[in-house]
Amino acid sequence: EAQVTQNPRYLITVTGKKLTVTCSQNMNHEYMSWYRQDPGLGLRQIYYSMNVEVTDKGDVPEGYKVSRKEKRNFPLILESPSPNQTSLYFCASSPRYSGNTIYFGEGSWLTVV
Amino acid sequence: GEDVEQSLFLSVREGDSSVINCTYTDSSSTYLYWYKQEPGAGLQLLTYIFSNMDMKQDQRLTVLLNKKDKHLSLRIADTQTGDSAIYFCAESFGSARQLTFGSGTQLTVLP
Repeated sequence: EAQVTQNPRYLITVTGKKLTVTCSQNMNHEYMSWYRQDPGLGLRQIYYSMNVEVTDKGDVPEGYKVSRKEKRNFPLILESPSPNQTSLYFCASSPRYSGNTIYFGEGSWLTVV
Repeated sequence: GEDVEQSLFLSVREGDSSVINCTYTDSSSTYLYWYKQEPGAGLQLLTYIFSNMDMKQDQRLTVLLNKKDKHLSLRIADTQTGDSAIYFCAESFGSARQLTFGSGTQLTVLP
């Protein structure tokens, strides 16, 4: 079954404690990206990756890092989380040649206190 | 940057049609999408339309695209209580399948 899997799904953490949200896809997709969803703002892109070792900033990259060492994984790293990073995070993947098939993970609820 | 705008709320009576509107600014967008998000759930792709199409129908859903006015709409016929959710329109552009989302429209279906 085609899947984008995110972990953890729910997390409460404290300011400054580094955390990683993992994202894995089993469809051999080239493109992966991270979004955050905030009330009244829709989803905004944080980072995206066009292939292994190729990453670039989206609209709201501040406070986040990513890496793409393997095609299937695209972890989102918060080196020093702050309360304004409390949000719902979505990972997405899509193949290179099909713009109408973008798959989303189920979302990760992150609260920073 | 690119902007996608939607009204935040819409209420309709069960059985009526719902029309959710969206405007976008990027004329180079390739695909336009409608996603549904139920409470506590992820994003479900409802339908999409390629930017050179005017209309697409899929069962109770009709998507209309006016490229000249950069206006996209989603019509849900015979709206049911199970249609209550947040609906996002989004456009994609560029080679990295970057999506720009609207703020979402909360659809409430009243009995």
